[in-house]
Amino acid sequence: AQSVTQLGSHVSVSEGALVLLRCNYSSSVPPYLFWYVQYPNQGLQLLLKYTSAATLVKGINGFEAEFKKSETSFHLTKPSAHMSDAAEYFCAVSDLQGAQKLVFGQGTRLTINP
Amino acid sequence: DGGITQSPKYLFRKEGQNVTLSCEQNLNHDAMYWYRQDPGQGLRLIYYSQIVNDFQKGDIAEGYSVSREKKESFPLTVTSAQKNPTAFYLCASSIVQGWETQYFGPGTRLLVL
Repeated sequence: AQSVTQLGSHVSVSEGALVLLRCNYSSSVPPYLFWYVQYPNQGLQLLLKYTSAATLVKGINGFEAEFKKSETSFHLTKPSAHMSDAAEYFCAVSDLQGAQKLVFGQGTRLTINP
Repeated sequence: DGGITQSPKYLFRKEGQNVTLSCEQNLNHDAMYWYRQDPGQGLRLIYYSQIVNDFQKGDIAEGYSVSREKKESFPLTVTSAQKNPTAFYLCASSIVQGWETQYFGPGTRLLVL
């Protein structure tokens, strides 16, 4: 069964600093991996997804993530944080077996300090 | 504009009452999903449906029921058997074929009076 672990339920960075949100997954078959963002009291919006093409995936709002099979990781980064990046971020994994079910991590709340 | 709508935005339930959350999509997606979100627990799958008139239990289906009579609609009923219904409920949809993105609605917050 798939699982996702997001290291750090809260991350705080200064405006302009590097953002690094960690995600490790467990899957018995090649995974599809997703990062979603959620602003307060809203639904989730896709930031980016990995579907076995390029290992470095670029998403919206300047975010990118790198798939590292040897480390079973899919960490999310952004070179320079902006105040508008403050939100909750979820990593999710799916695979090619059965129905397309996403398994979500517990989320990381990102705070940006001015 | 295509998208997913959920109503109401806030819903209050009295003890022993069943309540129904609405989810409608005009994306022409075959698959639809219901998730429950609690603080610090991420999203947990309640039910999902890949085609009209068919649905499957997710990880936390007890105390909930669904129907899928139309492709566009996937209502969720929170029954009186659900003893801890206070949560944020999210509906999503996706193309069944392949491993496409799930698109989410804005959510319904359910509170118990």
